[in-house]
Amino acid sequence: KAGVTQTPRYLIKTRGQQVTLSCSPISGHRSVSWYQQTPGQGLQFLFEYFSETQRNKGNFPGRFSGRQFSNSRSEMNVSTLELGDSALYLCASSFFAGDQETQYFGPGTRLLVL
Amino acid sequence: AQTVTQSQPEMSVQEAETVTLSCTYDTSESDYYLFWYKQPPSRQMILVIRQEAYKQQNATENRFSVNFQKAAKSFSLKISDSQLGDAAMYFCAHMNRDDKIIFGKGTRLHILP
Repeated sequence: KAGVTQTPRYLIKTRGQQVTLSCSPISGHRSVSWYQQTPGQGLQFLFEYFSETQRNKGNFPGRFSGRQFSNSRSEMNVSTLELGDSALYLCASSFFAGDQETQYFGPGTRLLVL
Repeated sequence: AQTVTQSQPEMSVQEAETVTLSCTYDTSESDYYLFWYKQPPSRQMILVIRQEAYKQQNATENRFSVNFQKAAKSFSLKISDSQLGDAAMYFCAHMNRDDKIIFGKGTRLHILP
């Protein structure tokens, strides 16, 4: 079974630009979550999607948005990039069976904003 | 507000020994989840253990087990028979039901051969 894939793996943008990151979950997983990891702020939750609906959102400005498609693939978009948006963006897909959760992470997309 | 505190930024343990990573959290809710994640160097994040607050029994996953003390709001991770592959950054996290997850700052674990 293929793992969680994230594209692109590395990205360099300049301030003011926008960026779209993609995440393909494990087949059969309907939940996709996004996280931002920086040396200063650590790991922070961005949002979670389940069956194309956003179930939860972290404390990020409206420049950060996301969506999920009918095949469970998810995209996140950051508009008007700022230097502080440089980070590793992680995506995870989850499968729930009763009260058990199985979660797998992708390798991440490393974004550098210049 | 939810907070998660990992008081040990770094720890070292001899291979084959047992090590305990500490985590405390703060919440006003009674129904929540707790997690330990492992992030090896240059490798993907892994969910190690998940604990539901309403379950008194401590979660276990092979050599990994937790000591969940709800009243003390403590959730420590014990790694038995430490192996070189256990070297990683370990994150403790807390999530109130239907709310967002909050992570601690992490503990970097070194395994000494």
